[in-house]
Amino acid sequence: DGGITQSPKYLFRKEGQNVTLSCEQNLNHDAMYWYRQDPGQGLRLIYYSQIVNDFQKGDIAEGYSVSREKKESFPLTVTSAQKNPTAFYLCASSDRGTTNEKLFFGSGTQLSVL
Amino acid sequence: DAKTTQPPSMDCAEGRAANLPCNHSTISGNEYVYWYRQIHSQGPQYIIHGLKNNETNEMASLIITEDRKSSTLILPHATLRDTAVYYCIVRGQYNQGGKLIFGQGTELSVKP
Repeated sequence: DGGITQSPKYLFRKEGQNVTLSCEQNLNHDAMYWYRQDPGQGLRLIYYSQIVNDFQKGDIAEGYSVSREKKESFPLTVTSAQKNPTAFYLCASSDRGTTNEKLFFGSGTQLSVL
Repeated sequence: DAKTTQPPSMDCAEGRAANLPCNHSTISGNEYVYWYRQIHSQGPQYIIHGLKNNETNEMASLIITEDRKSSTLILPHATLRDTAVYYCIVRGQYNQGGKLIFGQGTELSVKP
């Protein structure tokens, strides 16, 4: 089945540690996104990428880093500089350049601080 | 992309129609209205989108006013499984993978 796979589903971070959240898609989509969601809040955009080897900061990029070395993969690293990393992280992709540009989301990763 | 305004919460009786409003008064001519929903602790799911004309699919109907400054998502026969947060987003036809801004959404509670 085509779709977006996020792993792990739950992740724990120790203070001062970097952690990487995986996002893989087999939909052949050019565009990929990372969002952060805090309890009772909407989604906030962290980073997005429209094409391989290119990405742009969203509204809350500080303390995060990404890479886009392959079309199907867009990993997010939560660095030690992110002082409040506990949140639900969602990855999405879309077929760039169409008038029917729907977002497809993964099932999310819940990150907690130990 | 234009900003949207939605009521924070709504209730609906099971089996009745749920009508979820969205204001997008600054929408421009080439911006589409999209609706997504998010069931607790899952990724959001696409529902429907439209430009000017009303749209219907197997999940819902979308009614867009003639001036396009507001729209209504209609779930014709709400079930308990429709309990979710519903997000209204506007985005340009040629946005091509750029920023997508989600607001707070409307939390719909379908009650027996």
